[in-house]
Amino acid sequence: GENVEQHPSTLSVQEGDSAVIKCTYSDSASNYFPWYKQELGKRPQLIIDIRSNVGEKKDQRIAVTLNKTAKHFSLHITETQPEDSAVYFCAPRADTGTASKLTFGTGTRLQVTL
Amino acid sequence: EAGVAQSPRYKIIEKRQSVAFWCNPISGHATLYWYQQILGQGPKLLIQFQNNGVVDDSQLPKDRFSAERLKGVDSTLKIQPAKLEDSAVYLCASSRSKSSNYGYTFGSGTRLTVV
Repeated sequence: GENVEQHPSTLSVQEGDSAVIKCTYSDSASNYFPWYKQELGKRPQLIIDIRSNVGEKKDQRIAVTLNKTAKHFSLHITETQPEDSAVYFCAPRADTGTASKLTFGTGTRLQVTL
Repeated sequence: EAGVAQSPRYKIIEKRQSVAFWCNPISGHATLYWYQQILGQGPKLLIQFQNNGVVDDSQLPKDRFSAERLKGVDSTLKIQPAKLEDSAVYLCASSRSKSSNYGYTFGSGTRLTVV
């Protein structure tokens, strides 16, 4: 099955700084690469995603970059704000036969300090 | 559109008891997933349904966990008997289809505590 790892596991930045989280995966059939944000006690929320035919996607302060050859993709958050504090999960997905599922990474706890 | 509904929101049971969780996906969503999220970890897929058929239950502990999706709409997940290590949040998600062209929508989850 898919092996997914995230680095770092915790990240503390000052408000206004940038944050980068990297996700590595093992299944070369993965073709969809989302990032989820989970605040304490809440459900995971999709914040950005990218498909395998695109190298980069940006949405305001958030961007995702994909390197399919090296099997990793990264989340970039610029001008961080306190409300960005949460746990972030990558969850690559492969369409294999009848099953298609998100496999979640280990999570990165982001703390934005004032 | 209405979101994915789950109930109950919280449940506390003693070990060896049984428990059931319910999920109502978004109308028209053919694919339904149950994930288990242990504190401090990422969600782990337990079972995936396409309409009323199971397409992936490889990580479901079948000696104690069971799930069904009668009529391809609502789904229930049952644990019998529960163990302490089953304490987790159980998340239900649905998608229009199993294709990665369609994203997931998660429910609020059921927090299970086994004492």
